[in-house]
Formats: sequence, structure tokens, C-alpha cells
Amino acid sequence: QVQLQESGPGLVKPSETLSLTCAVSGYSISSGYYWGWIRQPPGKGLEWIGSIYHSGSTYYNPSLKSRVTISVDTSKNQFSLKLSSVTAADTAVYYCARHVVSSGWPYYFDYWGQGTLVTVSS
Amino acid sequence: EIVMTQSPATLSVSPGERATLSCRASQSVSSNLAWYQQKPGQAPRLLIYGASTRATGIPARFSGSGSGTEFTLTISSLQSEDFAVYYCQQYNNWPAFGGGTKVEIK
Repeated sequence: QVQLQESGPGLVKPSETLSLTCAVSGYSISSGYYWGWIRQPPGKGLEWIGSIYHSGSTYYNPSLKSRVTISVDTSKNQFSLKLSSVTAADTAVYYCARHVVSSGWPYYFDYWGQGTLVTVSS
Repeated sequence: EIVMTQSPATLSVSPGERATLSCRASQSVSSNLAWYQQKPGQAPRLLIYGASTRATGIPARFSGSGSGTEFTLTISSLQSEDFAVYYCQQYNNWPAFGGGTKVEIK
């Protein structure tokens, strides 16, 4: 059974960089699929942030691209998110998920982590 | 950018009744559409992909239809565990989610 678990600070100061890691178990990241990050502000809908392949190939949401970096560590079977210059608008539950891919294009998300709340506040 | 619009925002349904949820895309996404269910405090769960294919373990009372710009998720006979928020997501372009439909007990 594929399992994903997010970890990282729950509180980040404005203008600083948010950093999260997603540990994957039950499946080797190197075996395929894209691996993505999605966020959900409190009481609101879902927003895709970006996704990465085990080779390091990435897709980012154009609206966040200038502030986002996603990386992968296949030796630890995990991938990470960095979001720079955060503001209160970046307060959200951040989910990691396995991103089904077809013909090299990321499709839908079939396994999700439980999510972690990150609050941006001084 | 493809904008996904879901309606209604809230749907009040009695247990055992049918629920019909709509999702509209601002331009054609072919059949590249998925549906998710989210319960309070939980991560979304994949229900449907390819507009009409149920994901593994999803009960047959959930069905999806549509193509192009108009899509429907139907829950044939609502069970107590089905009261939740439902999201559609297109993947014809950069992945984008709709705003969600909350299915509540009438």
C-alpha cells in the first residue's frame, strides 16, 4: 500500500521560505509516476502547486512558478517543496500526492498524504 | 488557464436519494477529468478518472459522465458516508480543481 507523509515546520514567518518534505513508503519513487504538492487554504478549495518525476523533471503551476522549487531524493524515497517569500495568503494545509502520468503528462492524483497545516505569521 | 466551475455550491439531499453534481470547464478538456471526495479533516480521495472510470475500491453507486466542457458526478443512492465535499479536476492542461460542491444531509 502506497503511503505518503508530509513533514516540516507548522509556522513560518512572512517573507521567509516554507520547506516541506514528503516521505513515500510502499512504492519506490524511482519506479515511475510524478509526485506532487497541492494546497488548501482553510475553508477553501484545492490548488495544485507542482509535480516532479524521479528524473528531476518538473511541472509548476504558472501562478506560483517564480516562488516554487520541488526536488526529489530517490535514495531516501522522498521529495520536497520550497516556497519562497511567503505571505499570509500561503497559509494552508499542504498535501503531497502521487500524480499519475500518461505520455509524459501528469494526470490525476491517486494517493495522498494526510496533509500538514502551515501557518504564515510573525 | 482552464477554469473549472462546480454547481451547486451546496446540495441538500436525503439519505437514499440521488445526487447530481455538475462541473463545467471554460474550454474543452476532452475526457481528462477526475472527481474527488473530501471529508472534514481528511485528504481528498480519488473517485473517478477519465470522466467515467471508477478508481479502485469505489462503489458502483458513484458514476461519472460527460466530455468536452460539461461533466456530471452522480451518486445513485446516498449513504451516510457520502456526505462530503466533492471536487472535479481537469488534467488536459495544468491541473486545476473546481471550487467544490458540499453534499449535506437534508
